[in-house]
Amino acid sequence: EADIYQTPRYLVIGTGKKITLECSQTMGHDKMYWYQQDPGMELHLIHYSYGVNSTEKGDLSSESTVSRIRTEHFPLTLESARPSHTSQYLCASRGGSGNTIYFGEGSWLTVV
Amino acid sequence: GDSVTQMEGPVTLSEEAFLTINCTYTATGYPSLFWYVQYPGEGLQLLLKATKADDKGSNKGFEATYRKETTSFHLEKGSVQVSDSAVYFCALVTGGGNKLTFGTGTQLKVEL
Repeated sequence: EADIYQTPRYLVIGTGKKITLECSQTMGHDKMYWYQQDPGMELHLIHYSYGVNSTEKGDLSSESTVSRIRTEHFPLTLESARPSHTSQYLCASRGGSGNTIYFGEGSWLTVV
Repeated sequence: GDSVTQMEGPVTLSEEAFLTINCTYTATGYPSLFWYVQYPGEGLQLLLKATKADDKGSNKGFEATYRKETTSFHLEKGSVQVSDSAVYFCALVTGGGNKLTFGTGTQLKVEL
């Protein structure tokens, strides 16, 4: 079982609101990732981190920001949410045998 | 760069039919290969993996063999069930790389 957790699982917010999606893992992995995904569709990498104080933008341009102050914590923030941000956001970490990737259960964000 | 190509879906099968979902890859070095499954409304779960050539990953009746000569990692199951209906993602990780490469996903629908 993967020890990676995301909160909230589901959220509906109004346009212009600030939102932070939380992601925590207890496996001590250095590498963490955020993906954006429309239901059942391909994954788009929006941010990743190699370790504490390391963050990079992914392949898909995103208005979100991330931080990595602690190894276990990799939150994603939208300063001003828009309806185009409505999507599922998946957090992942990588490590262990064979560089296995572990995913959280996802956060479904709806901006109205 | 690295890439993963999966067969397009949806794949629709009758219960107890044989399943094959094709996955081929291009990568520098010697990647680890993974299959993930995503049930509706959930995150991705690791289904199986293989870390070197000729390894066979298996789990829950699913199997995939790491074929270096054909750069493939096809997913197979001898007898599918309705509960196997989900989206399946093939992925690779290269040892020195910090990014993960996913296929676009293949939706499987199993009918009674």
